[in-house]
Amino acid sequence: DTAVSQTPKYLVTQMGNDKSIKCEQNLGHDTMYWYKQDSKKFLKIMFSYNNKELIINETVPNRFSPKSPDKAHLNLHINSLELGDSAVYFCASSQDLDRAYEQYFGPGTRLTVT
Amino acid sequence: GDSVTQMEGPVTLSEEAFLTINCTYTATGYPSLFWYVQYPGEGLQLLLKATKADDKGSNKGFEATYRKETTSFHLEKGSVQVSDSAVYFCALWKTSYDKVIFGPGTSLSVIP
Repeated sequence: DTAVSQTPKYLVTQMGNDKSIKCEQNLGHDTMYWYKQDSKKFLKIMFSYNNKELIINETVPNRFSPKSPDKAHLNLHINSLELGDSAVYFCASSQDLDRAYEQYFGPGTRLTVT
Repeated sequence: GDSVTQMEGPVTLSEEAFLTINCTYTATGYPSLFWYVQYPGEGLQLLLKATKADDKGSNKGFEATYRKETTSFHLEKGSVQVSDSAVYFCALWKTSYDKVIFGPGTSLSVIP
């Protein structure tokens, strides 16, 4: 059983389109995260949610909107895609905020904007 | 603000060589320190941790000691294997509502 899963694994789209990436965790964790990893492997946190409540909202463009329908899911919607959005996006989860240091990462979604 | 610095990669070693990846941090208060590993095509996974000064974290033959006096947390392994080829991230974290701060990552390639 995959602990943290993301769909799709690959996403190729054109500039200006809107796309979504879905994330699900079956670990029973309370806290979930979205990260962006660039081509140099630099990892930047974008958002975190705890029990469906937004906790961390880094300075990302407001074209990015997370949605947490329940604590097992955290989806990422991106409007008006730009070339600079090309990256690998990782979802992660932790048991709760007190164990935020121990995060379980999904396999990543490679987004390519052409 | 708080930050983590790592030695630049890529690092290339022969199998069975000794590995050191340097990590230093800047932080107020009393952070906990971590190493995460990212194998090719996968997400990150926690490798080891140390929660206070002089603690040694260890896992899978890797070790790192929390040195407050030098604000360092260097990763070591006595004999690397090809399967250790990955990107290694040093990280720090302080309290429940804080984010984990990751270093830039160091890529390691082990050749037979």
